Amino acid sequence: EVKLVESGGGLAQPGGSLRLSCAASGFTFSSYAMTWVRQAPGKGLEWVSAITDSGSTTYYADSVRGRFTISRDNSENVLYLYMNSLRVDDTAIYYCAKRSGHSYGHNDYWGQGALVTVSS
Amino acid sequence: ETVMTQSPATLSVSPGERVTLSCRASQNIGTNLAWYQQKPGQAPRLLIYGASTRATGIPARFSGSGSGTEFPLTISSLQSEDFAVYYCQQYSYWPLTFGGGTKLEI
Repeated sequence: EVKLVESGGGLAQPGGSLRLSCAASGFTFSSYAMTWVRQAPGKGLEWVSAITDSGSTTYYADSVRGRFTISRDNSENVLYLYMNSLRVDDTAIYYCAKRSGHSYGHNDYWGQGALVTVSS
Repeated sequence: ETVMTQSPATLSVSPGERVTLSCRASQNIGTNLAWYQQKPGQAPRLLIYGASTRATGIPARFSGSGSGTEFPLTISSLQSEDFAVYYCQQYSYWPLTFGGGTKLEI
């Protein structure tokens, strides 16, 4: 059974930093691309970042480029999202999701999400 | 950026009805289109990928179609558990983009 469990969410001040983790199990983690998607309170889904299976290529939404960094540890089956220079409008539930291919495809499995609140 | 437009934003329907949700892409995305269902307090769940392929465990009453820029999702006979928000997403171009969602309410 595929399982994705996010952790690391919480309260941060504007300009602060947080690191989200996503522990993966039930599939060969190193063979699949992964992605982060967020959802602000009462709003729709917004894609944030993606990374290929090897970690060699990363992609970012314009809204987070230069502030967020996606990475993965294929030896530990963990996906990360380092969030710096946080803004109030980064407040959201952050979901990690497995993509269906090595570098491409739809999101076939999702975690339950981690809440990030940015407030002074 | 590929803009995904879903309509309507909210649809009031009754159990047993047949309903079609619309998703339109601002440029040709082939069949690189997925549909997700999200219930309150839950993560999204994959329904359809490749515009028309049902994900594992998804009932046959859900059907997707289309290619290029127009992608309808049809639910043939609404069940109580189908009342949720539905999102389409294109994965043909970066950045990946979602539609704004359609909420099915009773």
